[in-house]
Amino acid sequence: DAKTTQPNSMESNEEEPVHLPCNHSTISGTDYIHWYRQLPSQGPEYVIHGLTSNVNNRMASLAIAEDRKSSTLILHRATLRDAAVYYCILLWAGTALIFGKGTTLSVSS
Amino acid sequence: DTAVSQTPKYLVTQMGNDKSIKCEQNLGHDTMYWYKQDSKKFLKIMFSYNNKELIINETVPNRFSPKSPDKAHLNLHINSLELGDSAVYFCASSLSTTGGKNIQYFGAGTRLSVL
Repeated sequence: DAKTTQPNSMESNEEEPVHLPCNHSTISGTDYIHWYRQLPSQGPEYVIHGLTSNVNNRMASLAIAEDRKSSTLILHRATLRDAAVYYCILLWAGTALIFGKGTTLSVSS
Repeated sequence: DTAVSQTPKYLVTQMGNDKSIKCEQNLGHDTMYWYKQDSKKFLKIMFSYNNKELIINETVPNRFSPKSPDKAHLNLHINSLELGDSAVYFCASSLSTTGGKNIQYFGAGTRLSVL
């Protein structure tokens, strides 16, 4: 079972920032926080991951709460291509990804 | 070059048939996975191999048999296909199974329809 909680859906306008929240109150010290997304009719795609510190890459930023019980994926300027299901997943050594329902992000022009 | 490639992309077959799906990765990764996405869009791990050895085997009917001839390939053979096997099957690979390096790259999926 997924150990994270995400809103079912969110909406955004093109070129605006999007903050996708994720709660993981039962996270353990060795759990990494991973984010994947799945565009329509495609396989899941890695977005970003982190352990304790905030992380940035070319796709997004990941803000991790100090107690690590929640995190936020930040898309700085949403585009139509960012419309997808976003999954927040806790990952520890030797395991596979356990997908929950994710957040369906809609982007309007 | 496609990093993780699956064949075929579509597979339509009759109940009771046996079929195989092939997966190849050219990323030099040690670990490969099979996931199943059902009609309700839930993605679930089925199997994982690390250096050709089975490391994850979720509760999957034994009609499903993965085979890894080498680190770059992980095939999925399904015997006696049933209607409930209709789904999209995704192959993935990762460099390692440690949490920080377990970044998985997915194939485009194989859509299996059992009639």
